[in-house]
Amino acid sequence: GNSVTQMEGPVTLSEEAFLTINCTYTATGYPSLFWYVQYPGEGLQLLLKATKADDKGSNKGFEATYRKETTSFHLEKGSVQVSDSAVYFCALVGGSEKLVFGKGTKLTVNP
Amino acid sequence: ETGVTQSPTHLIKTRGQQVTLRCSSQSGHNTVSWYQQALGQGPQFIFQYYREEENGRGNFPPRFSGLQFPNYSSELNVNALELDDSALYLCASSFDLSRALTGELFFGEGSRLTVL
Repeated sequence: GNSVTQMEGPVTLSEEAFLTINCTYTATGYPSLFWYVQYPGEGLQLLLKATKADDKGSNKGFEATYRKETTSFHLEKGSVQVSDSAVYFCALVGGSEKLVFGKGTKLTVNP
Repeated sequence: ETGVTQSPTHLIKTRGQQVTLRCSSQSGHNTVSWYQQALGQGPQFIFQYYREEENGRGNFPPRFSGLQFPNYSSELNVNALELDDSALYLCASSFDLSRALTGELFFGEGSRLTVL
């Protein structure tokens, strides 16, 4: 079945640092890929998505590019803020399977 | 504000009891999915309902059951609770089935269940 592997956390950065959270996937066919974010005390929110190879999803300064050759969808942000502190989940949907999530990566940004 | 509301937000049960969790979909959404998120893990798909019919089920035993009502609100029922059922239960609604199939879900804040 489909699966997602994302880098173990927690990740701690200083404000304005560069962020990368790695995500790789295993899936049949051509899945759609997503990053969800869970801020403290809130529900999951869709951050960005990409539906085909070489697509770049972007939102709130975050970007991720769908790389079929490396089966990856790494999340990046050039300059993180304290307000970006949250748990980030990589996810995919494809074939007959519903949305499958990675285990999540907790990000803490210090002022 | 996603518009998806869940109740109760927290509850404590003992092993062997039964629990019902409730979810109100975002206005205009006819598809509801339920997920279980154990501590430190990603959400795992339990089942999905589309227009009151179950439309897909994950790897959960039959003691996990659900309902969707004509107003598209939904319930998750768990019988014979076990300690491992302790988790955050998330409800997510979608505008329609095709949006759900492409991962466009709007999540509630969840119901945190503790089984003692």
